[in-house]
Amino acid sequence: GAVVSQHPSRVICKSGTSVKIECRSLDFQATTMFWYRQFPKQSLMLMATSNEGSKATYEQGVEKDKFLINHASLTLSTLTVTSAHPEDSSFYICSARGGGVAYEQYFGPGTRLTVT
Amino acid sequence: AQSVSQHNHHVILSEAASLELGCNYSYGGTVNLFWYVQYPGQHLQLLLKYFSGDPLVKGIKGFEAEFIKSKFSFNLRKPSVQWSDTAEYFCAVTNNAGNMLTFGGGTRLMVKP
Repeated sequence: GAVVSQHPSRVICKSGTSVKIECRSLDFQATTMFWYRQFPKQSLMLMATSNEGSKATYEQGVEKDKFLINHASLTLSTLTVTSAHPEDSSFYICSARGGGVAYEQYFGPGTRLTVT
Repeated sequence: AQSVSQHNHHVILSEAASLELGCNYSYGGTVNLFWYVQYPGQHLQLLLKYFSGDPLVKGIKGFEAEFIKSKFSFNLRKPSVQWSDTAEYFCAVTNNAGNMLTFGGGTRLMVKP
């Protein structure tokens, strides 16, 4: 149980275009979902926290207008990178937390975004 | 704000050697502690976690960790590593509300066969 999926696993896009990444909790309801960014050989950095039905809370330094997060249902959150630039190229990972085991987050496999 | 530091960035061991990866955190309140592993090309997986109770926590694949509150530490240990343990290991902490998971910088472990 507690499986989180992400789609797509890899995406290449041109500079200036927008890209949407989906994060789904497959077998549980995720009251809270988190979006992380991982640069090569570095740790995960939390970008934002989203609760179902409410606006996401962004970490300091993360542009909310550039990284649009929608958590419309208890099983789906989306991250849209708008007007992507090469510096947005990174590994984006989502995690989900349900109402069951306290504080435990389940991670998706990640999405590698390359902006050319 | 909470922070996590992992002192060893790269560790190289031979098979059957013992492993200890250091993790120290900074936070004044009650914390929940985790160790995650990321095998090459795979996603993060939970190795073990500590919420309360026995400070010696046993996880999957023979790993264990000990929470020492006085030292703000949660070191990961394994008595005898295998080649398949080659991966990156992340220590993480969240506050009692569980709202923010803060990761350490990670330790890349290479086990030589």
